[in-house]
Amino acid sequence: NAGVTQTPKFRILKIGQSMTLQCTQDMNHNYMYWYRQDPGMGLKLIYYSVGAGITDKGEVPNGYNVSRSTTEDFPLRLELAAPSQTSVYFCASRQGATLYEQYFGPGTRLTVT
Amino acid sequence: AQTVTQSQPEMSVQEAETVTLSCTYDTSENNYYLFWYKQPPSRQMILVIRQEAYKQQNATENRFSVNFQKAAKSFSLKISDSQLGDTAMYFCAFMKLNRDDKIIFGKGTRLHILP
Repeated sequence: NAGVTQTPKFRILKIGQSMTLQCTQDMNHNYMYWYRQDPGMGLKLIYYSVGAGITDKGEVPNGYNVSRSTTEDFPLRLELAAPSQTSVYFCASRQGATLYEQYFGPGTRLTVT
Repeated sequence: AQTVTQSQPEMSVQEAETVTLSCTYDTSENNYYLFWYKQPPSRQMILVIRQEAYKQQNATENRFSVNFQKAAKSFSLKISDSQLGDTAMYFCAFMKLNRDDKIIFGKGTRLHILP
């Protein structure tokens, strides 16, 4: 059981470039989440999904897109990267129903210059 | 909207001492969960302890315990017999029980355990 995996671990982007952050979980969890963590701050929710084919915006969705074609995968797409998107990105998953613990991936550190 | 406030940006204590981290939250909900997450230098987010709002009894997990005061909307974390491995950022988090069950995080408290 690998849990929640994220790739890449680190990435440097130039302004205006695009990229996809990958997130995969092997626990058959229904709920998946994308957070960003800016320096010295807590996590802020970007997008979430309650099941395959269903996604919704979180607190800070601008500049990002997601898709959920399978239960396992929840990629986060950055279009036209901006310096304000420099952050650490965490993916998390949860079984759902009465099981409330979120399992986090190791994070992706993204720098936009 | 729910908010979570951690008023102590940074704390330091000697190894083996007891330390308490503060957290207050604002909500009009009656059913919710509260969490403390630990983030060591590795950046991995680790759940430390969880409290269901409908339970009056304070949650405990080994050396970690909480003081949950629902009326005061306060949720502090007590770490007993602190160890060097407890050095980390600690985040208080709130989750209301609804369809999406989003978690709202505080800004964190950086805890240093000194040898």
